[in-house]
Amino acid sequence: DAKTTQPPSMDCAEGRAANLPCNHSTISGNEYVYWYRQIHSQGPQYIIHGLKNNETNEMASLIITEDRKSSTLILPHATLRDTAVYYCIVRLLQGAQKLVFGQGTRLTINP
Amino acid sequence: NAGVTQTPKFQVLKTGQSMTLQCAQDMNHNSMYWYRQDPGMGLRLIYYSASEGTTDKGEVPNGYNVSRLNKREFSLRLESAAPSQTSVYFCASRDWTGTHLPKNIQYFGAGTRLSVL
Repeated sequence: DAKTTQPPSMDCAEGRAANLPCNHSTISGNEYVYWYRQIHSQGPQYIIHGLKNNETNEMASLIITEDRKSSTLILPHATLRDTAVYYCIVRLLQGAQKLVFGQGTRLTINP
Repeated sequence: NAGVTQTPKFQVLKTGQSMTLQCAQDMNHNSMYWYRQDPGMGLRLIYYSASEGTTDKGEVPNGYNVSRLNKREFSLRLESAAPSQTSVYFCASRDWTGTHLPKNIQYFGAGTRLSVL
């Protein structure tokens, strides 16, 4: 699986959009970009994933650059409950069973 | 639809005691996983079951055994607990389905917090 680089921490005001960047410059053509988050003391939670097109669901939007070397997770209207560690994971659709979580970005939503 | 349910939520054991952590999913997923997470660290895979009737070792299987009882249930057993097994244990199941975009998503339970004294 390709390595990812994320800022260790970010802050965002409640109600504003939170934009979390991820660099994955060694991504291969058949690897997907996944985002998970872990709220304190809870199990990791899937947010969104994509291959090359931008994706949106009820939780977030995922913007992947045209060269696929980086992506941004967007939480459009952050709430205090979005405070968590966010993990960007690049992996093949098939094959490896385990999820490898890096250090992630600790996002703090401030009132 | 409860998703992935783990029991118990908390457990304290003495060194040498045994116990079984239970996990059940109601999403009809084929694959299930057991991870452990130590303080300030990422998840490490202990065992997984790609489908009913099969189990395989992950990266940290020593000291653990698993049973895939049926499609819904995947249990983790500590035969002789050690302080090094103090951790938070997460069970997960995997969804392969998808329409316009294939999935391969793991869904996690709330965790079992285990302390071994």
